[in-house]
Amino acid sequence: EAGVTQSPTHLIKTRGQQATLRCSPISGHTSVYWYQQALGLGLQFLLWYDEGEERNRGNFPPRFSGRQFPNYSSELNVNALELEDSALYLCASTLGALPQHFGDGTRLSIL
Amino acid sequence: QKEVEQNSGPLSVPEGAIASLNCTYSDRGSQSFFWYRQYSGKSPELIMFIYSNGDKEDGRFTAQLNKASQYVSLLIRDSQPSDSATYLCAVNQEYGNKLVFGAGTILRVKS
Repeated sequence: EAGVTQSPTHLIKTRGQQATLRCSPISGHTSVYWYQQALGLGLQFLLWYDEGEERNRGNFPPRFSGRQFPNYSSELNVNALELEDSALYLCASTLGALPQHFGDGTRLSIL
Repeated sequence: QKEVEQNSGPLSVPEGAIASLNCTYSDRGSQSFFWYRQYSGKSPELIMFIYSNGDKEDGRFTAQLNKASQYVSLLIRDSQPSDSATYLCAVNQEYGNKLVFGAGTILRVKS
């Protein structure tokens, strides 16, 4: 069974640009979660999508947004990039109350 | 008070010993509890999850939950150098369906 896949693996941007990160959940999973892991800050919840709808979001500014497509894959968009957005962005998927499984992440570097 | 607290470590144990990792949480309505292992530069990998008070064993790993004390622990028996990693405790709170992570405990198993 294929796990959660994320792309790209690495992304380098400059301040003010926009970044798009993609996630494909495990087959059969309908929920996708996005987390940010910045150096020294631990894993922080960003967004939860289920059945195409945004169900919950963490304490992040509106320039962090996303969507979930009919095939349950998801996209995270970060606008007006700032230096502190440099982090590992992790996507996890699950079905109902089952444990979340993480992809390998996208490392976003802001120059 | 942080929502999920872990001792950052490092916790050093000799090969073959039992490693004991602890975690406390503040949301009394939390329903499910997870332990993830994260190697440096990699994404978190699910090791154990527990929903009910008591112990749950899986191979060399035992998760223990005490909801009255708001305490969850992970025991690793016969520790191996390959167990050296950061162990993240995560709690699924009653509302919002998000995982709240502790900062992680660094475990070092010395051969």
